[in-house]
Amino acid sequence: GAVVSQHPSRVICKSGTSVKIECRSLDFQATTMFWYRQFPKKSLMLMATSNEGSKATYEQGVEKDKFLINHASLTLSTLTVTSAHPEDSSFYICSARDFRQGTTTEAFFGQGTRLTVV
Amino acid sequence: KQEVTQIPAALSVPEGENLVLNCSFTDSAIYNLQWFRQDPGKGLTSLLLIQSSQREQTSGRLNASLDKSSGRSTLYIAASQPGDSATYLCAVKVRETSGSRLTFGEGTQLTVNP
Repeated sequence: GAVVSQHPSRVICKSGTSVKIECRSLDFQATTMFWYRQFPKKSLMLMATSNEGSKATYEQGVEKDKFLINHASLTLSTLTVTSAHPEDSSFYICSARDFRQGTTTEAFFGQGTRLTVV
Repeated sequence: KQEVTQIPAALSVPEGENLVLNCSFTDSAIYNLQWFRQDPGKGLTSLLLIQSSQREQTSGRLNASLDKSSGRSTLYIAASQPGDSATYLCAVKVRETSGSRLTFGEGTQLTVNP
């Protein structure tokens, strides 16, 4: 399967600072990337969908000014958590797809980023 | 709104046992259903993908079935091993005009005891 690389795998930051998480598709072009958040022992909750070159579409209840998403190229999307607070501590996972390959193809996931805000 | 439910939430079995994980979804208008494995603190590894027109897929000791009309899927693991211990997630891809999305269940945490 295709490879999606997410960086960093773990990050600890202080309250009030911003942290950037990168998601890269290494061997395919990702027209669309998805950002998920996962709470302990809970399922993945879709936060936003980003299409290359367009503004991200955020799910209801997700603050777009707090979770900034940039998808400037077909291989890279970034999620920036701005003015982080302890309640933002969570596991963030990205997923990438090339929609030009059709709707039956699977999505590929990064290895996740554990964010801890202290 | 599509909802995905997985039963049981947790399962502990002795090594060598065959087991079945269950997934149900409320809206049968899906593109496909996918089973994933997630190890603690890690991302998702795709195990099996079943298209809406298919009834089952097999990979090694894993067999996934899909009954779209009843909104159910099962993941069968034969001859379980301690290395199978992980959380198993099922997700359905929903038909949307502006790009499909995956809706996940909460997972089944499997422990295979040596």
